[in-house]
Amino acid sequence: KNQVEQSPQSLIILEGKNCTLQCNYTVSPFSNLRWYKQDTGRGPVSLTIMTFSENTKSNGRYTATLDADTKQSSLHITASQLSDSASYICVVPRDTDKLIFGTGTRLQVFP
Amino acid sequence: DTGVSQDPRHKITKRGQNVTFRCDPISEHNRLYWYRQTLGQGPEFLTYFQNEAQLEKSRLLSDRFSAERPKGSFSTLEIQRTEQGDSAMYLCASSLDQGDYTFGSGTRLTVV
Repeated sequence: KNQVEQSPQSLIILEGKNCTLQCNYTVSPFSNLRWYKQDTGRGPVSLTIMTFSENTKSNGRYTATLDADTKQSSLHITASQLSDSASYICVVPRDTDKLIFGTGTRLQVFP
Repeated sequence: DTGVSQDPRHKITKRGQNVTFRCDPISEHNRLYWYRQTLGQGPEFLTYFQNEAQLEKSRLLSDRFSAERPKGSFSTLEIQRTEQGDSAMYLCASSLDQGDYTFGSGTRLTVV
């Protein structure tokens, strides 16, 4: 079954700290993996897309890693800011047309 | 073109009423998707269009749901005889072929 699982379900950190979110997937065949940020009441916004051949990709303070062999990805946030408070969703396309979304990690950054 | 627009942002309706949502995609995007998201869950695929053709519908899309994309531009999603279980955020996204998706801010539906 094509699935995307994320951990932790929720995370609370202090402003300025780093954190790492995890994603495991079983979607096959694999073409790419995407991380989205979703603020409460808003649509998801793309952070990064990683293809099979990419191991690490950065977007500002966000760094995503991908291990296609173990079917795992992580999203590392450096020097967190209050505005990072959101849900972070790992997404893997099934076939070429449909996205399989994880349930997300809800991150709260406190001052 | 400032992105994907959805209207309305919020809709409260009584059970049994019909509702219609609109999505205006990025103009050069040929693909348009509808997703539904309930609280604490990731979005679930409902249907997608390539230009004006509706290419796939999820089993989640019961016969009370219908989507159209006339002329391959904006799209509408209609729910007939709404039920409380229809309460959710309805997200629209568009893409150019298999490129990255751009999501709208969604329409939050509450059925009372």
